[in-house]
Amino acid sequence: AQKITQTQPGMFVQEKEAVTLDCTYDTSDPSYGLFWYKQPSSGEMIFLIYQGSYDQQNATEGRYSLNFQKARKSANLVISASQLGDSAMYFCAMREGLGGFKTIFGAGTRLFVKA
Amino acid sequence: DTGVSQDPRHKITKRGQNVTFRCDPISEHNRLYWYRQTLGQGPEFLTYFQNEAQLEKSRLLSDRFSAERPKGSFSTLEIQRTEQGDSAMYLCASSSPGTSGKGGLNEQFFGPGTRLTVL
Repeated sequence: AQKITQTQPGMFVQEKEAVTLDCTYDTSDPSYGLFWYKQPSSGEMIFLIYQGSYDQQNATEGRYSLNFQKARKSANLVISASQLGDSAMYFCAMREGLGGFKTIFGAGTRLFVKA
Repeated sequence: DTGVSQDPRHKITKRGQNVTFRCDPISEHNRLYWYRQTLGQGPEFLTYFQNEAQLEKSRLLSDRFSAERPKGSFSTLEIQRTEQGDSAMYLCASSSPGTSGKGGLNEQFFGPGTRLTVL
């Protein structure tokens, strides 16, 4: 069965520094997609970055990069140059099958950015 | 605004009452999803529509829950005889098959959610 594990309930980072949020996953499907979402206190799920299981290179989107280690089944999110507005909940998620419909989410990590 | 919209944004009700939530997907999207998110947890999949057909239901969706998408456009989620355990954020998402965007194939776009509080 597919599963997403985020072991860091909360993380602190100093403004302008980089931070890594951990995510491991489990699936038996060779085709899958991995996602990171940001959820501020307003509640909306904001898509950050996507990595397909067959993608050769790690995904990057601005200050966000995904450290994809397929053999270890990990998909850590790296946020560079943290900003105060990055304070939020961050969810790692997975969909089996590249065109699958059911997204499985981890429990999330709350990130606090200190000034 | 061309994003997914949900109404209401907040709902407070007493235990035993019925509530109904509405989701309007992005207009060209034929796939629609409902998720539930309880405090301190990630969203959990509830159900999925392709056009007006409900193709998948989670075991989380008890018989007190019913979802419809009568014309393949907007969707409603009704909870009958609400219980305190139903208190959660209910999220709707939509997608279009074959669309490959930054979120990969079948990228899902989420609405702002409806926060339900059952007293």
